Amino acid sequence: NAGVIQTPRHKVTGKGQEATLWCEPISGHSAVFWYRQTIVQGLEFLTYFRNQAPIDDSGMPKERFSAQMPNQSHSTLKIQSTQPQDSAVYLCASSLAGSSYEQYFGPGTRLTVL
Amino acid sequence: SQLAEENSWALSVHEGESVTVNCSYKTSITALQWYRQKSGKGPAQLILIRSNERHNRNGRLRATLDTSSQSSSLSITATRCEDTAVYFCATGRTGGYKVVFGSGTRLLVSP
Repeated sequence: NAGVIQTPRHKVTGKGQEATLWCEPISGHSAVFWYRQTIVQGLEFLTYFRNQAPIDDSGMPKERFSAQMPNQSHSTLKIQSTQPQDSAVYLCASSLAGSSYEQYFGPGTRLTVL
Repeated sequence: SQLAEENSWALSVHEGESVTVNCSYKTSITALQWYRQKSGKGPAQLILIRSNERHNRNGRLRATLDTSSQSSSLSITATRCEDTAVYFCATGRTGGYKVVFGSGTRLLVSP
């Protein structure tokens, strides 16, 4: 079991460019979560999928962030027109259906917006 | 404001010593988790303690839960340099799926 896989591990974009982050959850896990981590704000919930369906995106900045889960083996987080304040580590986690308690995190993607 | 919060921003101990990280939370919970995050890695769950439990153990780690004072502690005995990490408490609420993380306590274990 390779655990949750996130690619790329590091991404540098220029202000105004688009960034797409990828997550492959653990096989058999039907719940996928995205978080953003910064020194100032800590770990912030962004969005949650269950059985590929979007359940809660209350943490997502509305205008430039979007997330999808086209199949059970991967999810993407897309940030359009990136801004310096989007610089953060973006973490993906997965868990078994109905269990938010045991979330397994990937290593994260460090996004730097210049 | 944070629904879960560790009480210390940073702690430093020498290898072999014991250390305790404390956490307080603000809402009713069904469970509290302790996570550890090492540099360059995602958080990893250490211990889960449900609201009807008072303590739980995982090797050198022991977590306690006091629902009356809405607090928890994580104790690590015989610390090792590899215990150096950020430790988070995280809470889950009844019927919910969200896990709310505290801001973390940075633990440094030096030789």
